Amino acid sequence: DGGITQSPKYLFRKEGQNVTLSCEQNLNHDAMYWYRQDPGQGLRLIYYSQIVNDFQKGDIAEGYSVSREKKESFPLTVTSAQKNPTAFYLCATTAGRGNEQVFGPGTRLTVL
Amino acid sequence: KQEVTQIPAALSVPEGENLVLNCSFTDSAIYNLQWFRQDPGKGLTSLLLIQSSQREQTSGRLNASLDKSSGRSTLYIAASQPGDSATYLCAVRLLLTGGGNKLTFGTGTQLKVEL
Repeated sequence: DGGITQSPKYLFRKEGQNVTLSCEQNLNHDAMYWYRQDPGQGLRLIYYSQIVNDFQKGDIAEGYSVSREKKESFPLTVTSAQKNPTAFYLCATTAGRGNEQVFGPGTRLTVL
Repeated sequence: KQEVTQIPAALSVPEGENLVLNCSFTDSAIYNLQWFRQDPGKGLTSLLLIQSSQREQTSGRLNASLDKSSGRSTLYIAASQPGDSATYLCAVRLLLTGGGNKLTFGTGTQLKVEL
């Protein structure tokens, strides 16, 4: 079955640690996105990538980093510079700009 | 800057009722609009996608309309069921200089359908 997988489902981090969230897709979609969701707020775009080896900052990129070495994978690193990282992180893909955006199941990150 | 608003923030209805969820956006230069459903602790499930040239889309008991000139979209749910209980999000796609595109989301309407 084609789809998007995110791992882990739950992640706990101590303050000052970097952590990496995984996003893998087998949909053969070109574009991939990372969003952050906080209670009572809409999803906010962190980073996006339209093709391999290229990515752009979204609205809230500070404290995050990404890479796009393979079409199938778009990992997100939450660095110690991100002051309030506790949130629900969602990865998404799109086949093309006229097509619907498809979401993964999400990773809930909690800073202890 | 594009802003997307969804009203009401929460809605509770008895089973079987027809209902309308509203979404408004400030910049009418959108490429398309997408409605999603989100269950607690889960990712988003796409319900309907309306291109900017379209007026409406239908899928089963769901019908979404789009009026670009007034900056509004509605999601109509017919004969609501308890299984429809979820948060419904709308998002508009804008084209960016340089060829990129992004979705801007509303904060959602939390729907509860009661027996």
